[in-house]
Amino acid sequence: DIQMTQSPSTLSASIGDRVTITCRASQSIGFWLAWHQQKPGKAPKTLIYQASNLESGVPSRFSGSGSGTEFTLTITSLQPDDFATYYCQQVSGYPRTFGQGTKVESK
Amino acid sequence: EVQLVESGGALEKTGGSLRLSCVASEFNFIDAWMTWVRQAPGKGLEWVGRVKSKIDGETEEYAAPVKGRFTISREDSKNTLYLQMNSLRTEDTAVYYCTTDDGRLWGQGTLVTVSS
Repeated sequence: DIQMTQSPSTLSASIGDRVTITCRASQSIGFWLAWHQQKPGKAPKTLIYQASNLESGVPSRFSGSGSGTEFTLTITSLQPDDFATYYCQQVSGYPRTFGQGTKVESK
Repeated sequence: EVQLVESGGALEKTGGSLRLSCVASEFNFIDAWMTWVRQAPGKGLEWVGRVKSKIDGETEEYAAPVKGRFTISREDSKNTLYLQMNSLRTEDTAVYYCTTDDGRLWGQGTLVTVSS
């Protein structure tokens, strides 16, 4: 199975901060990575697909980059609505696997 | 509106069975490979399994913890995906989400609670 490792597990930040979350795959997955945002009691919402493509309706302050085994989700200026847990997911092989999540909380 | 809507979650006893449904709207369900993902209370996301489209063979794959107990099927005429869950265990307690295989579209989830 492809292991996905996210860092950090928790991130404390303030409104307006630049936030970066990293996801590493245990083997190369090309560009086959998605990023999801999840708020308490809600379903995950996809932000980024194929490593760097922004889903329709997602604010442009979100961006994704990377390929192979190392990927990054960046929020250029953190907004109040962005406090949530973020998951990476590889969609290269089976079983599909997720990172353990990064909780972005208010500093 | 493009959406997936799950139903069928309930409280069930260990060893019992449940069938979840997921109805797709406003997207090309027939050609979509579909997946179930679950999330235990307070935990992360766990892939359960996938079914390919009929034209691609309608074959299934499952995660090790559910293999042999869960079955994913589809009824394209009804734009519906199913998850048949047998021999339920307490560790199957989770919110179950229907998603597209590429992870881009998610339903709102349905809660399954397994109790002894």
